[in-house]
Amino acid sequence: EPEVTQTPSHQVTQMGQEVILRCVPISNHLYFYWYRQILGQKVEFLVSFYNNEISEKSEIFDDQFSVERPDGSNFTLKIRSTKLEDSAMYFCASSEALAWGFERGWYGKLFFGSGTQLSVL
Amino acid sequence: GQNIDQPTEMTATEGAIVQINCTYQTSGFNGLFWYQQHAGEAPTFLSYNVLDGLEEKGRFSSFLSRSKGYSYLLLKELQMKDSASYLCAVRGGGSYIPTFGRGTSLIVHP
Repeated sequence: EPEVTQTPSHQVTQMGQEVILRCVPISNHLYFYWYRQILGQKVEFLVSFYNNEISEKSEIFDDQFSVERPDGSNFTLKIRSTKLEDSAMYFCASSEALAWGFERGWYGKLFFGSGTQLSVL
Repeated sequence: GQNIDQPTEMTATEGAIVQINCTYQTSGFNGLFWYQQHAGEAPTFLSYNVLDGLEEKGRFSSFLSRSKGYSYLLLKELQMKDSASYLCAVRGGGSYIPTFGRGTSLIVHP
C-alpha cells in the first residue's frame, strides 16, 4: 500500500533555531496536512494545504510556522524560531479528496506518515 | 469547534469483546473517524461513519447515532496486538478537517 514518508524521524535542535520537517505525500493525493502530538496529549491539527495554498489553519499555526510544496513531491513544515513548547511528534498526512455529500468511498480518509519527533533544547 | 469525549483507559481480556464510546458536540456534523495508534507510531485508519448505523469491517465495527452525538467502536476477538490508543475524530463546524479526541488507551491482557 502506498505510504506517506517523513524525514527525519528524529530532530534535535536548540531553542531559537529554524527547523524544516519534510514529507512526501502519497503521489495521487491532493490534500496535505500537518498535525502534531505533544507527548501524552491528543493529536492536534496545524494546517491543511491544497492547490498550492493553505486551505485551513489552526490557532497553533502562527507566524513562526510556514508550509511549502517546493516541487511535485515534497511538502515541508518550517518552524522559524523554535521554542521549548514546540517539542512534539509532527505528523504529515495526505488524503485523496475531501468528503462530498454521502459518497462513501470519497470521504477524505487521512493517511499519516510515521512522524518526526522534534526535541527543542 | 468540536467537543469530543472518550474514556481515558480501558482494559480487556484476550479473546473478549470491548466497546469504546465517543460522544461529541458539533454543529454541521460531517463525518466521524476511528483511528488506531500504537505507542510512538502514526494513527492508522480503522473506520468512517457519516450515516446512522453500524459499519462492520472484520473484527472491528463502528456505530453512529447523529441525533445523540454518539459513536462506539466495537472490537471482537481481542488480540494482544490490539493494545493501543483508539482515537475518535469528528468533522464538522463548516470544516473538513477532523478534530481528534484525546483517545482511549486499551490494554489487552492474557
